[in-house]
Amino acid sequence: DAGVTQSPTHLIKTRGQQVTLRCSPISGHKSVSWYQQVLGQGPQFIFQYYEKEERGRGNFPDRFSARQFPNYSSELNVNALLLGDSALYLCASSVRLPYEQYFGPGTRLTVT
Amino acid sequence: GQNIDQPTEMTATEGAIVQINCTYQTSGFNGLFWYQQHAGEAPTFLSYNVLDGLEEKGRFSSFLSRSKGYSYLLLKELQMKDSASYLCAPSVGGSTLGRLYFGRGTQLTVWP
Repeated sequence: DAGVTQSPTHLIKTRGQQVTLRCSPISGHKSVSWYQQVLGQGPQFIFQYYEKEERGRGNFPDRFSARQFPNYSSELNVNALLLGDSALYLCASSVRLPYEQYFGPGTRLTVT
Repeated sequence: GQNIDQPTEMTATEGAIVQINCTYQTSGFNGLFWYQQHAGEAPTFLSYNVLDGLEEKGRFSSFLSRSKGYSYLLLKELQMKDSASYLCAPSVGGSTLGRLYFGRGTQLTVWP
């Protein structure tokens, strides 16, 4: 079975631009969570969706938004990019909550 | 807020046993995850403890004491490929949610 997939793998944007990151969960998984990981730190929780409903939001500004589609895939949008948004963005899927979450390979975002 | 504490770095030699400790203070605790993360890669799931006690899975074991807010990951018969960051992550949010809060990770270096 395919694992969690994310696209794109790498992305370079300039300050003020907008970005959309995509995630496809493991087949049969209905929950998707997004995390941000900056170098040297553990992942930080951004959003969680279950059955297409937002179930939680971390301490991130309103520039960050997300949604989950009927096929359980998800998008993370970040507007008005700042240099500090440079990080590895991880998507994790789970069959349901609060069971184990499996991570995708991540999208490496660089903001210049 | 959530507070997770684990050692920043540990070293050990091949074939040895190492124990990585984690203490946490959280609200709405569901259980505790351990993940392994190699440099530049996504975290991979190692274990999930819900009840107190020891869970054994091959060379890896994980222990949880809910009353003490304490967990450890035990790695036996260390191999060079075990050199990685080990992330302790309490799952919080009650029975229907499962957002993970990560510590900064313990960087384990295994020497020949």
